[in-house]
Amino acid sequence: GDSVTQMEGPVTLSEEAFLTINCTYTATGYPSLFWYVQYPGEGLQLLLKATKADDKGSNKGFEATYRKETTSFHLEKGSVQVSDSAVYFCALSRGQGGKLIFGQGTELSVKP
Amino acid sequence: EADIYQTPRYLVIGTGKKITLECSQTMGHDKMYWYQQDPGMELHLIHYSYGVNSTEKGDLSSESTVSRIRTEHFPLTLESARPSHTSQYLCASSEYTGSGKTQYFGPGTRLLVL
Repeated sequence: GDSVTQMEGPVTLSEEAFLTINCTYTATGYPSLFWYVQYPGEGLQLLLKATKADDKGSNKGFEATYRKETTSFHLEKGSVQVSDSAVYFCALSRGQGGKLIFGQGTELSVKP
Repeated sequence: EADIYQTPRYLVIGTGKKITLECSQTMGHDKMYWYQQDPGMELHLIHYSYGVNSTEKGDLSSESTVSRIRTEHFPLTLESARPSHTSQYLCASSEYTGSGKTQYFGPGTRLLVL
């Protein structure tokens, strides 16, 4: 069945460091791919998404490119801030049902 | 900005009590979902609905039940709470058609069953 695998956390970085969180997926057909972020004590909110191969999603300095050949959707940011500390979830959805399948989440901690 | 609300935000309750977690959205979305989130962060879909009078079980078996009598309202009920039900419960909604539609999440309910 469909699945999403994320890089293990927690990830600890210094402010202004470069961030990569790896995400790979297994799915038949052409899923849509998402990154959601969960700040402490809150629900999830959409960070970015891509709905077809080679699309790049971007928001708040974060980027991810839908790579069908490597079945990946890695999240990157050039310079992280303390306020980026949160849990990041990679997810896919496929078909008209729209159900999301989530990765296990990666906790990011950014130190000043 | 998403308008999806959950109450209560926190609930501590004794074993055997009946509880209802409320979820409401003002976006007119047809699809609604309930997820259970482990302390280890992983999210599991436990119920979903495609519209009024539609309810389906999700990927993770749950003793909870749901109802969808109105488009905007999707409550989750536990008839007899147990310590194993301790978790965070997240409600979400989305537009009906297409796999690329964003799901909007509520702030969650943290449930502790003693």
